[in-house]
Amino acid sequence: IVLTQSPGTLSLSPGERATLSCRASQSVRANYLAWYQQKPGQAPRLLIYGASTRATGIPDRFSGSGSGTDFTLTISRLEPEDFAVYYCQQYVSSLVTFGSGTKVDIK
Amino acid sequence: QVQLVQSGAEVKKPGASVKVSCKASGYTFTSHAITWVRQAPGQGLEWMGLISGYNGNTNYAQNFQGRVTMTTDTSTNTAYLELKNLRSDDTAVYYCARVPNWYLDFWGQGTLVTVSS
Repeated sequence: IVLTQSPGTLSLSPGERATLSCRASQSVRANYLAWYQQKPGQAPRLLIYGASTRATGIPDRFSGSGSGTDFTLTISRLEPEDFAVYYCQQYVSSLVTFGSGTKVDIK
Repeated sequence: QVQLVQSGAEVKKPGASVKVSCKASGYTFTSHAITWVRQAPGQGLEWMGLISGYNGNTNYAQNFQGRVTMTTDTSTNTAYLELKNLRSDDTAVYYCARVPNWYLDFWGQGTLVTVSS
């Protein structure tokens, strides 16, 4: 399964809403779709799993939605620490695939 | 608290092998799989494979079949990644991560492997 993330870069201001897309080439079963945040020089951090369940300690301004082949990560109001790269990930038949990432940078 | 601590940076020549370790603590090692993900400079995340902490069963990404070996040592709660026949495009940061079900919930700090003649 290929995951296509769009846009490649999203330029926004603090306080704005960010909407990131992840489209799968085939249906992702049982919502085996997760989202990660990565900041420069750091390991990725799990944000969302099961398409919409926030991981422990993740603020509620982060939300995930979607099913089948189309998934969305929404950040309701961008905080300065949210400017980073975001990856989606799926799991099928014991194989893992990541999307190419969306960079959210400061406008 | 769950922690994954990886071994330090490595510099290798083309054709050599590298072995990276990932020591787990704060949970029952045999209850979860460990996966390995790499990231070339300025690039995205590339999944390499997964190993069961319970029985050592592995599943490797097709791109690495024949060159990668993942192992575990349950006596020290440590997972290992060995990559053989290194090329310059294997230069990357290599991460281990815990897999409680199918997602990656805790990550190591990363190990930079540089392949250069």
